[in-house]
Amino acid sequence: EIVLTQSPGTLSLSPGERATLSCRASQSVNTNYLAWYQQKPGQAPRLLIYGASSRATGIPDRFSGSGSGTDFTLTISRLEPEDFAVYYCQQYGSSPRTFGQGTKVEIK
Amino acid sequence: QVQLQESGPGLVKPSQTLSLTCTVSGGSISSGGYYWSWIRQHPGKGLEWIGYIYYSGSTYYNPSLKSRVTISVDTSKNQFSLKLSSVTAADTAVYYCARDQWGNWFDPWGQGTLVTVSS
Repeated sequence: EIVLTQSPGTLSLSPGERATLSCRASQSVNTNYLAWYQQKPGQAPRLLIYGASSRATGIPDRFSGSGSGTDFTLTISRLEPEDFAVYYCQQYGSSPRTFGQGTKVEIK
Repeated sequence: QVQLQESGPGLVKPSQTLSLTCTVSGGSISSGGYYWSWIRQHPGKGLEWIGYIYYSGSTYYNPSLKSRVTISVDTSKNQFSLKLSSVTAADTAVYYCARDQWGNWFDPWGQGTLVTVSS
């Protein structure tokens, strides 16, 4: 199965700053079949990005995804207070579908 | 919009079978167009996809859990269910149900339910 490694484990930033989160796959992800989710404490994950770069319905344009092959990035252009959360990547190009271990974006 | 809600016992004894149900509202499972999945999250850790079912009853499971998992559907109640047999403490987790975009991404998710395996 494909192992997804997210870095850094924790990102300490201030509101208004730019966040760059990395997701690296142990082998190439077929046709950029990669999604990103946001999870806040006590809540279910929420879909942000699919197809590596397509925003889900209702997701603000400060969230963007990029990358291909084995290296993918989620960028939050300007952090809003509600963006501090844990972010997970998930690949669906190979079975079984797998998730990264998460990156926590915390307030500095 | 579609909403999902998990229900079931929060405490299961070791070696017994974990049973959970997901009730779907705001949309019909039998309309097709989606799979319906179970996903779990061990305390403080990442996410693990368990398996999915289609309204017809066809299923696909994660090979790592396949020998112990059964997912079923009741279209008359607009529900699908998870059974995980021979549980151990390693099966303690928050269990989520989610709408599955044809084996791709998951959206939306239920709020999740914590199941603890302990005697």
